[in-house]
Amino acid sequence: GAGVSQSPSNKVTEKGKDVELRCDPISGHTALYWYRQSLGQGLEFLIYFQGNSAPDKSGLPSDRFSAERTGGSVSTLTIQRTQQEDSAVYLCASSLWTEDNTQYFGPGTRLTVL
Amino acid sequence: SQQGEEDPQALSIQEGENATMNCSYKTSINNLQWYRQNSGRGLVHLILIRSNEREKHSGRLRVTLDTSKKSSSLLITASRAADTASYFCATETGANSKLTFGKGITLSVRP
Repeated sequence: GAGVSQSPSNKVTEKGKDVELRCDPISGHTALYWYRQSLGQGLEFLIYFQGNSAPDKSGLPSDRFSAERTGGSVSTLTIQRTQQEDSAVYLCASSLWTEDNTQYFGPGTRLTVL
Repeated sequence: SQQGEEDPQALSIQEGENATMNCSYKTSINNLQWYRQNSGRGLVHLILIRSNEREKHSGRLRVTLDTSKKSSSLLITASRAADTASYFCATETGANSKLTFGKGITLSVRP
């Protein structure tokens, strides 16, 4: 596709349920990043992938959060047993692994945990 | 910890005026990037300046970088109402090219 796509665009769930967020990066981009943005805040780094491996998981807030990437393309971010504080916009970005690592962002998934 | 911090937090100007936004950071960087975000959704990359560059232009955008002061500024000339958005600086550090974002500046351009 022409850009990074994410689905769903909006997700409302009940506390305690699991959710899965999907990111389709730009074709050929080897690096993929997940960020979280709470209302009125900057972006909080969660995890990044180089190919299918995740060298840096340091931003995942708890063990309820996990992510995987298959085939060097699509990535899913899973949040288990969601809590109200998980409510945020989850943004995905991809990039070519070059010297100037410009990241291209998807539109985000707005997650609301009731 | 916050690497990039922008100021002011909010800026309101008249259409046609110039908008200057500043960013300060704490550690050595590979490069510094500015992004724009409309309506709290996806970010759009505006411009990147490398650590060995001091100034860069792109259309109505001018970015400067002072590594001795660990600061950068983004100038938007001849602002338009469509420039109304949140602007974030992001610093790239280390080998994994992780970007660390500031909290952003809300720019309002009055028609």
